Amino acid sequence: EPEVTQTPSHQVTQMGQEVILRCVPISNHLYFYWYRQILGQKVEFLVSFYNNEISEKSEIFDDQFSVERPDGSNFTLKIRSTKLEDSAMYFCASITGTSNEQFFGPGTRLTVL
Amino acid sequence: KNEVEQSPQNLTAQEGEFITINCSYSVGISALHWLQQHPGGGIVSLFMLSSGKKKHGRLIATINIQEKHSSLHITASHPRDSAVYICAVMKTSYDKVIFGPGTSLSVIP
Repeated sequence: EPEVTQTPSHQVTQMGQEVILRCVPISNHLYFYWYRQILGQKVEFLVSFYNNEISEKSEIFDDQFSVERPDGSNFTLKIRSTKLEDSAMYFCASITGTSNEQFFGPGTRLTVL
Repeated sequence: KNEVEQSPQNLTAQEGEFITINCSYSVGISALHWLQQHPGGGIVSLFMLSSGKKKHGRLIATINIQEKHSSLHITASHPRDSAVYICAVMKTSYDKVIFGPGTSLSVIP
């Protein structure tokens, strides 16, 4: 069964460093999302992406964040200068465009020291 | 005010018990998801509902659109059901998912 994959599973970085989190959505999916979950808190929406552009972003998604679909398969989330409070689990999700069911990746745990 | 609320926040049950987790939401929706999250963090979709009732194995999900309420039931609960169960809604098609706070379930042998 097709699935959303994410790499790396765990990333440790120093404050101020840039990180790129990678996602490979299911191949025929058209809508892509990033969410994050700070430890002990609920999952929060970051950004949605369709037709090679951002369709919606949350207040969390400030100028330090960017998303890109550099080729036909990868969907990346970049944090330019990480802060301690960026430490969280980051989930990628995708949907087909004919169904509302979102398929979630396994997540990347980001630890900022 | 949170757009999606769940109760209870925490639940401990004996193996074999019938479990109900409730979700209420305050916005118009196109679909509601029930999700499962195990320790270690991955999110698995259990159900997507826009009306009525769905059943998968020992899990049953219902939704009442007029009352803005959904329930997840687990029959004959088992320790492997221990996880966080999350209710989440989409306001419109292809919209972001708005997550509830989750219900932490622990099933004791």
